[in-house]
Amino acid sequence: NAGVTQTPKFQVLKTGQSMTLQCAQDMNHEYMSWYRQDPGMGLRLIHYSVGAGITDQGEVPNGYNVSRSTTEDFPLRLLSAAPSQTSVYFCASRSPTGWGYNSPLHFGNGTRLTVT
Amino acid sequence: TQLLEQSPQFLSIQEGENLTVYCNSSSVFSSLQWYRQEPGEGPVLLVTVVTGGEVKKLKRLTFQFGDARKDSSLHITAAQPGDTGLYLCAGGPNAGNMLTFGGGTRLMVKP
Repeated sequence: NAGVTQTPKFQVLKTGQSMTLQCAQDMNHEYMSWYRQDPGMGLRLIHYSVGAGITDQGEVPNGYNVSRSTTEDFPLRLLSAAPSQTSVYFCASRSPTGWGYNSPLHFGNGTRLTVT
Repeated sequence: TQLLEQSPQFLSIQEGENLTVYCNSSSVFSSLQWYRQEPGEGPVLLVTVVTGGEVKKLKRLTFQFGDARKDSSLHITAAQPGDTGLYLCAGGPNAGNMLTFGGGTRLMVKP
């Protein structure tokens, strides 16, 4: 199994540009999420989904959109990139949903985004 | 908002030394997970603690959940260069099914 796959690994954008970060998992996990990681701030949740067709906001959702049309894919869209969105973005999945607190989050290897 | 504070933020030690990393909050968590992250990769789960006072051991790593489920510690005995990485604690999930992550402790073990 590939686990959680994120593309691209690196991206440079100019302020105002839009782009989509791709995330796919092959573990049939219902729960998927996007985090951003900034130095000293740990991981902050952007958006998450508990199943196809269901998405919800996390801690820092502004400037980002998500959709979940299939169990496998959970893309993250930056609508109009800003320098404050320079970060490393991680997609993570988990099974089962609900109170599966004994199940680990499976992370991809991240996308390093720079906005100039 | 639930917050988790990790200390220290940075730790540089010699191979063979012992160390403890702390994860503290004023909030009660239903569980506490510890992850390790290496450069260029995503975090990988080390352990989950669920019961107040629980102690779990993973080879040279000992994890403890506080009695009140507000804090946790990670103790490494005889650290090795392979232990180098970013250690993250994560509490929850909360009612919104979200995990709260601490800011991380960056550990470097020198040979």
